[in-house]
Amino acid sequence: KNEVEQSPQNLTAQEGEFITINCSYSVGISALHWLQQHPGGGIVSLFMLSSGKKKHGRLIATINIQEKHSSLHITASHPRDSAVYICAVIRVPYNTDKLIFGTGTRLQVFP
Amino acid sequence: NAGVTQTPKFRILKIGQSMTLQCTQDMNHNYMYWYRQDPGMGLKLIYYSVGAGITDKGEVPNGYNVSRSTTEDFPLRLELAAPSQTSVYFCASSYAPWSETQYFGPGTRLLVL
Repeated sequence: KNEVEQSPQNLTAQEGEFITINCSYSVGISALHWLQQHPGGGIVSLFMLSSGKKKHGRLIATINIQEKHSSLHITASHPRDSAVYICAVIRVPYNTDKLIFGTGTRLQVFP
Repeated sequence: NAGVTQTPKFRILKIGQSMTLQCTQDMNHNYMYWYRQDPGMGLKLIYYSVGAGITDKGEVPNGYNVSRSTTEDFPLRLELAAPSQTSVYFCASSYAPWSETQYFGPGTRLLVL
């Protein structure tokens, strides 16, 4: 079983829909990253959070440390949001796998 | 600022050949990382560096070597390439380790035949 699980693996939406991507983890962590990988392959860091909620534009990320769960929400989705969204956790205590990545959620938003 | 740059973008190697993947950042970050991304799998850390002259192994270091002689550059060396090293390689950097935003390069796609 992977230590970081994302759901769903694939997601399609119509433009304007509210989208939720989930990340569950089974290890102790100090923080969690959400990353976006564009269709061309480039990776951009969206959020780093260790508690509560963060918002940037139409993106909202939440984390519940007790439940070992984080969600990424996209409001008013747009075709340009089409990408792979990756969750990564910073494991504590540190080991060689300090940053553990999920396998990603592929999102396609259609006009 | 160019951010993190990687060369080459794509390379085909024969089994047993060697090559160096170049990574340069112009943000004066102390921390640099090399990851590989295999199809359907999460990124995995190969090596990282906390500053010039200091490197350490990540989760999957076998078959690779690194050096860090300057703050800006963090090359990854593949010795005796194997088909299992076919992957996309990403270099990243950050101001502080792990719990800080990482800035990724565009990636190098490597095919070992």
